[in-house]
Amino acid sequence: DQQVKQNSPSLSVQEGRISILNCDYTNSMFDYFLWYKKYPAEGPTFLISISSIKDKNEDGRFTVFLNKSAKHLSLHIVPSQPGDSAVYFCAASGNQGGKLIFGQGTELSVKP
Amino acid sequence: NAGVMQNPRHLVRRRGQEARLRCSPMKGHSHVYWYRQLPEEGLKFMVYLQKENIIDESGMPKERFSAEFPKEGPSILRIQQVVRGDSAAYFCASSPTGPNQGYTFGSGTRLTVV
Repeated sequence: DQQVKQNSPSLSVQEGRISILNCDYTNSMFDYFLWYKKYPAEGPTFLISISSIKDKNEDGRFTVFLNKSAKHLSLHIVPSQPGDSAVYFCAASGNQGGKLIFGQGTELSVKP
Repeated sequence: NAGVMQNPRHLVRRRGQEARLRCSPMKGHSHVYWYRQLPEEGLKFMVYLQKENIIDESGMPKERFSAEFPKEGPSILRIQQVVRGDSAAYFCASSPTGPNQGYTFGSGTRLTVV
């Protein structure tokens, strides 16, 4: 039962352009959504989060959009930089207490 | 202020042996979480602990796996009688409160069962 899904395993973008990473969820009880970035052989690093009462949250080059009716969120990175190349995970929390439910990840490659 | 410290970084065990994975949370963090990442998969929740208490162990396999977070010392994830399917990266995370402001993850322990 995959409650959080990232349907694109990989994404390739040119440096300077926009990267859009997508995530869908099935559980309407989730009340917080988070994005993490992961480099090989390292732990995930928290990027940005959004509460279910909002539809947008922005932090520098990173913006997360939440569409509750579609149960969909996306992470926009503008402009993309080669150092953004990593695996990005979306995650959700809510009525499950302290745990996060992670998607499978999308590997972003930003080409110079 | 050191981050979340996990050791060892790499652990090799033969089938049937025990594996002990250690996690020292960030200073001031009293919530500890363990996740497992199998090859080509996302992170799967295993257990959520606070000092001396297991809050949620719904992701822990019913047998061979246990976790603790004692009053003093690191949190320990213990896997008894390891099997090849236990080979994975095990990540620990900590937070001062709940998860919604983002955990801080450690670098993980990569367990290989041969």
